[in-house]
Amino acid sequence: DAGVTQSPTHLIKTRGQQVTLRCSPKSGHDTVSWYQQALGQGPQFIFQYYEEEERQRGNFPDRFSGHQFPNYSSELNVNALLLGDSALYLCASSWWTGTKNTEAFFGQGTRLTVV
Amino acid sequence: ILNVEQSPQSLHVQEGDSTNFTCSFPSSNFYALHWYRWETAKSPEALFVMTLNGDEKKKGRISATLNTKEGYSYLYIKGSQPEDSATYLCALKGGATNKLIFGTGTLLAVQP
Repeated sequence: DAGVTQSPTHLIKTRGQQVTLRCSPKSGHDTVSWYQQALGQGPQFIFQYYEEEERQRGNFPDRFSGHQFPNYSSELNVNALLLGDSALYLCASSWWTGTKNTEAFFGQGTRLTVV
Repeated sequence: ILNVEQSPQSLHVQEGDSTNFTCSFPSSNFYALHWYRWETAKSPEALFVMTLNGDEKKKGRISATLNTKEGYSYLYIKGSQPEDSATYLCALKGGATNKLIFGTGTLLAVQP
């Protein structure tokens, strides 16, 4: 089991550009969540996908969008990049069970640097 | 807005020392409390998921307790080893979805 895989591992983009980050969930998982970790902070929830629909969203602007595919993999898109978007982006997968003790499994993250 | 706080921010201990960290959270709207261990250049690794007031969980030398009425959880490491060096994150699950609200973490450095 490869666990949660993210690509690319590192990325450098220029202000104003657009970026797409990718995530493959752990085998058997159907729910993907995305988190942003800025320097000195804990991971902040961006949004969550289940059955190819955005189910919940954190306090992030519309520049942040996503997609989930039929094979449960997911993409995070960020448009009109700002310097403040520089962060580690983590993908987490889990089961959509709604139970209390569902743990999330994380990937290693994509380090995005906006210059 | 739910706020999860962790203390201390960082901790330096000697090999063999026992240590503990605190995670504080709003006691209302509690659903579950997750602890993660995050080593540099690796993925965060789930340690415990705690749901009931008074829960105590243990994995090897690491254990955790939960008090949902007063809104805190303690993580204990007995006899710290250099391989325990990592950031320890706690995260609150405030509802029936899988959204996690993280604290800023406690960075533990164990010196041989």
